Amino acid sequence: AQTVTQSQPEMSVQEAETVTLSCTYDTSENNYYLFWYKQPPSRQMILVIRQEAYKQQNATENRFSVNFQKAAKSFSLKISDSQLGDTAMYFCAFMKQGGTSYGKLTFGQGTILTVHP
Amino acid sequence: DAGVTQSPTHLIKTRGQQVTLRCSPKSGHDTVSWYQQALGQGPQFIFQYYEEEERQRGNFPDRFSGHQFPNYSSELNVNALLLGDSALYLCASSLTNRQVTYNEQFFGPGTRLTVL
Repeated sequence: AQTVTQSQPEMSVQEAETVTLSCTYDTSENNYYLFWYKQPPSRQMILVIRQEAYKQQNATENRFSVNFQKAAKSFSLKISDSQLGDTAMYFCAFMKQGGTSYGKLTFGQGTILTVHP
Repeated sequence: DAGVTQSPTHLIKTRGQQVTLRCSPKSGHDTVSWYQQALGQGPQFIFQYYEEEERQRGNFPDRFSGHQFPNYSSELNVNALLLGDSALYLCASSLTNRQVTYNEQFFGPGTRLTVL
């Protein structure tokens, strides 16, 4: 079974600054995906960024980038130039690749990020 | 193009009652997954439906059951409600495509269930 741990229940950052959210995971799988999801107060879960475990290059999506350390089983999210709209709960999630996974997501406990003006 | 829709938005029930939650997948999607998200926690996988059958199930009791209809929409049923069933129930849809290893899941806004 997989586990995902987010050790920062809450984080805050000033607008335009950079913040990093941490995530560690445990798995015996070699092929998998890791994700960061954003859940604003409106509740709709939105995919922020995806990382394939077989790729050494860290994924980036505009202001969002990850630091993927496969050996350490660490997957952090960096948000640059933070904006007020980034205020949300952020979840780190794991998905086994292929086989009988069928896309089941295992989530961490979440980190509440507040961006202050 | 409508995304994933869920109904109702909110629901209040009492212990011992039964509840049915509904989900319509994003257009073109054929797979529906259900998640339970307790307050302040991450979502937990309940089960997934594909081709009108339960394809995979998480660690939830038999009180949680579901159904998928020919139009791919899905229902989540919970019997004998407990106070601990109070949560946000999220539906996610995707397209099962065996030609690729990753099929993105799109989430609905959720149904907030309160059990008194």
